[in-house]
Amino acid sequence: ETGVTQSPTHLIKTRGQQVTLRCSSQSGHNTVSWYQQALGQGPQFIFQYYREEENGRGNFPPRFSGLQFPNYSSELNVNALELDDSALYLCASSFGQGKRAGELFFGEGSRLTVL
Amino acid sequence: QKEVEQNSGPLSVPEGAIASLNCTYSDRGSQSFFWYRQYSGKSPELIMFIYSNGDKEDGRFTAQLNKASQYVSLLIRDSQPSDSATYLCAVRRAGGTSYGKLTFGQGTILTVHP
Repeated sequence: ETGVTQSPTHLIKTRGQQVTLRCSSQSGHNTVSWYQQALGQGPQFIFQYYREEENGRGNFPPRFSGLQFPNYSSELNVNALELDDSALYLCASSFGQGKRAGELFFGEGSRLTVL
Repeated sequence: QKEVEQNSGPLSVPEGAIASLNCTYSDRGSQSFFWYRQYSGKSPELIMFIYSNGDKEDGRFTAQLNKASQYVSLLIRDSQPSDSATYLCAVRRAGGTSYGKLTFGQGTILTVHP
């Protein structure tokens, strides 16, 4: 186990609804990244939070937003859900700067189904 | 051209054989290279990382990096059925502030049969 926990593990929403996914980082990690993994694909970088600020974003629209809290936990919010948003959403924590920044520790993910 | 390309497989090897997984990347600014293993229905877990040209060994796993050819590989010796999983190659660009931003390939499905 990585020590990164995510909730909920599974959820079903309908088009147009909004969803909030939550993540608790591994102790000692100050950086949280969120990834979207569609079926049969590798994870795609959504964004990253470091010291409570977004400091990197992938090719995702503004309806994907997030927060990081002082205890390094994080939320991913998706508004106006679309069918293509159906995927596994992965939270990953890491040490932050330096080469080891890419050594990500993933939570078990939240599987979102949009109907 | 995809930024990180892997043969999606499936790659099937007999138990005890060497499994060879390959990955190419397009961004010459890539600095760090990672191999993650993902069992079906589970999240990715880091198994190897390599930053310098050459080979890096860890138990039954060897990562190989050739920056001139923009090529990364993972060798699994004495393959076991428990190694059956999807193997994801990931790269991180040098510099910038997106410390946790990795670009992943689509993954190679490995099946080790008894």
